[in-house]
Amino acid sequence: KAGVTQTPRYLIKTRGQQVTLSCSPISGHRSVSWYQQTPGQGLQFLFEYFSETQRNKGNFPGRFSGRQFSNSRSEMNVSTLELGDSALYLCASSAPGLFYYEQYFGPGTRLTVT
Amino acid sequence: AQKITQTQPGMFVQEKEAVTLDCTYDTSDPSYGLFWYKQPSSGEMIFLIYQGSYDQQNATEGRYSLNFQKARKSANLVISASQLGDSAMYFCAMREGYNFNKFYFGSGTKLNVKP
Repeated sequence: KAGVTQTPRYLIKTRGQQVTLSCSPISGHRSVSWYQQTPGQGLQFLFEYFSETQRNKGNFPGRFSGRQFSNSRSEMNVSTLELGDSALYLCASSAPGLFYYEQYFGPGTRLTVT
Repeated sequence: AQKITQTQPGMFVQEKEAVTLDCTYDTSDPSYGLFWYKQPSSGEMIFLIYQGSYDQQNATEGRYSLNFQKARKSANLVISASQLGDSAMYFCAMREGYNFNKFYFGSGTKLNVKP
């Protein structure tokens, strides 16, 4: 089975721009979660989608949004980029429903905002 | 309160020795899962081991074992016979039963294996 894929792997944007990141989960996985990882704040949960619906949301401003498509692929959008948005953005997928399923992570998208 | 606490920001271990990475958790839900992930410098998170709250025995996966002490709310990772390739960040995580798709991660422990 192919793993979780994320595109692009690296991105450089300037302040004020917007960006869209993409995540394709493992085949059959319907849950996709997004995380932001920075040296100062560690791993922070952004949101989770299941069957095209946002099921959980972390404490991030409305500039961060996401969606999930019928094939379970997910996109994350950040509008009006700020310098502090520079981070590694990780996507993770897991099998539906049961709490004992681990999350499988993608390689991440490293976003640099200048 | 922090859901997951990892009190060791960094650790050193000699190659071929065993090392224990500490993790404590906080939950009032009787159903939960505990996970350990490894993150090498490349950035990808690699799943290592899982322990369920109802599991009677400690989980083991090759050189990894999880020392689960439920009453103390502790889920320490033990790596036996450390290898140079074990040098990485290690994260402890928890998923609670009632909010079953939200993962809580600790701040991580940076492990350095010395030759």
